[in-house]
Amino acid sequence: EAGVAQSPRYKIIEKRQSVAFWCNPISGHATLYWYQQILGQGPKLLIQFQNNGVVDDSQLPKDRFSAERLKGVDSTLKIQPAKLEDSAVYLCASSLGLAGGNEQFFGPGTRLTVL
Amino acid sequence: QKEVEQNSGPLSVPEGAIASLNCTYSDRVSQSFFWYRQYSGKSPELIMSIYSNGDKEDGRFTAQLNKASQYVSLLIRDSQPSDSATYLCAVNPGDMRFGAGTRLTVKP
Repeated sequence: EAGVAQSPRYKIIEKRQSVAFWCNPISGHATLYWYQQILGQGPKLLIQFQNNGVVDDSQLPKDRFSAERLKGVDSTLKIQPAKLEDSAVYLCASSLGLAGGNEQFFGPGTRLTVL
Repeated sequence: QKEVEQNSGPLSVPEGAIASLNCTYSDRVSQSFFWYRQYSGKSPELIMSIYSNGDKEDGRFTAQLNKASQYVSLLIRDSQPSDSATYLCAVNPGDMRFGAGTRLTVKP
């Protein structure tokens, strides 16, 4: 069974530029999550999708971050414009969903450096 | 008070010893509890989930949950150098909340 796929693996941009990350969850997983992990901290949930609907985006900085999962499968997270403090690893995770349990499986992450 | 607190590390144990990792959480409605292992530069890997009070064993790993005390722990028996990593406690009262992690080093 293929795991969660993410791209790119690394990205370096200058502040005020925009960037987008892509995630493809495990096949059949209805729930998709985006996390931000700053060095030395645990992952922080940014947004949770159930199929193509948003379940929780309370910690997403909506003035600069946006995410979509239009067809209920893969998802894109965008930052525009980026700030220095956005430097982090962006992790995508998926789970079967409410009926199937909420054990989450993570992709390899995208390491973002904002200069 | 942080929502999920883990014992401050780093924790160092000799090879073959038992490593004990502790976690407390603040939200009493939490029903799902997880331990993830994260190697340096890698993403978190699920190693244990526990939903009911008591112990759950899987190989060398034992998770312990006490909802009344809002406490969950992970024991690693016969620790190996390959167990050296950061261990993340995660609690799900509706949305997943992670602790900051405890770095474990197992010395040969």
